[in-house]
Amino acid sequence: ETGVTQSPTHLIKTRGQQVTLRCSSQSGHNTVSWYQQALGQGPQFIFQYYREEENGRGNFPPRFSGLQFPNYSSELNVNALELDDSALYLCASSLGLAGVSGQETQYFGPGTRLLVL
Amino acid sequence: AQSVTQLGSHVSVSEGALVLLRCNYSSSVPPYLFWYVQYPNQGLQLLLKYTSAATLVKGINGFEAEFKKSETSFHLTKPSAHMSDAAEYFCAVSEYGGSQGNLIFGKGTKLSVKP
Repeated sequence: ETGVTQSPTHLIKTRGQQVTLRCSSQSGHNTVSWYQQALGQGPQFIFQYYREEENGRGNFPPRFSGLQFPNYSSELNVNALELDDSALYLCASSLGLAGVSGQETQYFGPGTRLLVL
Repeated sequence: AQSVTQLGSHVSVSEGALVLLRCNYSSSVPPYLFWYVQYPNQGLQLLLKYTSAATLVKGINGFEAEFKKSETSFHLTKPSAHMSDAAEYFCAVSEYGGSQGNLIFGKGTKLSVKP
């Protein structure tokens, strides 16, 4: 069974640029959530996708957007990068709508570390 | 609104000593509670979760946590620390019946284990 994978592992961008991060969910999982983890902080929820539809969003501006594909893999896009976007971006997959029961385990990938200069 | 508070950003113990990492939560509805561990330069790994069954939850690597509603706590313990336990630990809460699957994390506690 393949776990959650993310690409790239590291990325350096400059302010104002756009970035796309990718996530492949664990086999059989149809829900993907994205989190931002700033240095020294806990992860913060960005948004969740369930069967290709956005199902909830945290307190992030619209320049953070996402997609989920029919094979349940997902992309996180960030436009007009700012210095504060420098962080570890974590993708997590789960089976079913985690929020409906609240107990579904989310399995995390290793993350993409983004540095904005 | 839900929230999680982890007391102590850094905890240091000797190898073989008791590990106690503290987590208090705030929730207006019955919560689901989780502990995750993060090793350097890695993602998060689930240690254990509380989903309203037994209040004492056993997890991987010898860790366990007890849900205490009266104290709104979910502290993580391990009887005897190993060097390999050195990592950052995050407590998280998820709202039962909520429409979103987001986890709300604490700021984390970094555990150091001295030989």
